[in-house]
Amino acid sequence: EAQMVESGGGLVQPGGSLRLSCAASGFSISNYWMSWVRQAPGKGLEWVANIKRDGSDKFYVESVKGRFTVSRDNTKNSVYLQMNSLRAEDTAVYYCARFRTGDYGLDYWGQGTLVTVSS
Amino acid sequence: QTVVTQEPSFSVSPGGTITLTCGLSSGSVSTTSYPSWYQQTPGQAPRTLIYSTNTRSPGVPDRFSGSIVGNKAVLTITGAQADDESDYYCVLFMGSGIWMFGGGTKVTVL
Repeated sequence: EAQMVESGGGLVQPGGSLRLSCAASGFSISNYWMSWVRQAPGKGLEWVANIKRDGSDKFYVESVKGRFTVSRDNTKNSVYLQMNSLRAEDTAVYYCARFRTGDYGLDYWGQGTLVTVSS
Repeated sequence: QTVVTQEPSFSVSPGGTITLTCGLSSGSVSTTSYPSWYQQTPGQAPRTLIYSTNTRSPGVPDRFSGSIVGNKAVLTITGAQADDESDYYCVLFMGSGIWMFGGGTKVTVL
């Protein structure tokens, strides 16, 4: 069965950087778009970024454009989220999810990694 | 900016029917909005229920169904059970590669 495990979360100061990783197993990510979704404490889900199968297309929510970069290494079956110029409002659990096309939607989710931006 | 709208809360009695809607602050939801639905309990990752309006995710019971009614996407859950008590989120395609979650609906089974 498809599984994703996120890592790289932690405490970082405002203005700092963090790189999240998502290691997939049970399927080849080269066949799928992949997504990052976040959830601030006590708040709802927010879609953050999508990346195409070969990495040639990337899309971001407006609030992270120019600060976050999604990437992937299909040979390592992994997806990444580089987060720069972090703000307090970026504090959230970050989920990696597989995005299916055809019947569009997120079909498998990781358990998430917590990012806390605070001084 | 157009946002995705959901009822903040919904209450139902056991055995009743839950009807949740997903709309747009401006405009109508259609099949090309590709609405999908997710269930989340506190402290857990979301669980996928429905893709592209009405395709159930594997393992999701047929008590859960999706549709478009009027200008909104609708998630219907029949025979409400205690473990249906969760937060439910919809996602819509907004165009230009952008997807957006609604604010979520907290369902209480009384």
